[in-house]
Amino acid sequence: DVVMTQSPLSLPVTLGQPASISCRSSQSLVYSDGNTYLSWFQQRPGQSPRRLIYKVSNRDSGVPDRFSGSGSGTDFTLKISRVEAEDVGVYYCLQTTHWPRTFGQGTKVEIK
Amino acid sequence: EVQLVESGGGLVQPGGSLRLSCAASGFTFSTSSMHWVRQAPGKGLEWVAYIKPDGGDKYYVDSVKGRFTISRDNAKNSLYLQMNSLRAEDTAVYYCARGKDYSWGQGTLVTVSS
Repeated sequence: DVVMTQSPLSLPVTLGQPASISCRSSQSLVYSDGNTYLSWFQQRPGQSPRRLIYKVSNRDSGVPDRFSGSGSGTDFTLKISRVEAEDVGVYYCLQTTHWPRTFGQGTKVEIK
Repeated sequence: EVQLVESGGGLVQPGGSLRLSCAASGFTFSTSSMHWVRQAPGKGLEWVAYIKPDGGDKYYVDSVKGRFTISRDNAKNSLYLQMNSLRAEDTAVYYCARGKDYSWGQGTLVTVSS
């Protein structure tokens, strides 16, 4: 199985400051069609997860443009340009290139 | 608007069975692949199972193979997860999610305990 490793696991941030989460996969996530199927999810406290980013860098509808995704191959990053209070929660990466699908452990973002 | 409503969770003894349901609305269910994902209390997300739109192809995480069965009824816009031989480690909130964009339901809690 593809192991997804996130870092850090806890991320205290100051409001208005940037934040960055890393996600590394144990195998390349490039699929045979040339696409890289790496997504990012946000789970706010007490809520179901919602997808923010798909195929590395594409924002889902309604996702603020302060969220951005980048990376390639086995190394990926989610960045929040200026953290807002509503961004508190746990963030997960998910690979959908290989079976079984696998999530990262999650990164808890909290306000300092 | 995509709506997914899970049901069927509850308390079950180890070794017991439970059938989860997910009622879908707001999109064309019959052309959508679907997933089950679970989250143990205070833990991260774990993908569990997948089914193609016509029900022909199914995939499972190793830990549930042979015990869980994903199925669907496109006429009823419903997704199911039959869970047999349940173990304490299956205790979790179970979410159904649409394959296209991972839209999620609110989840249903399964507790396996004596």
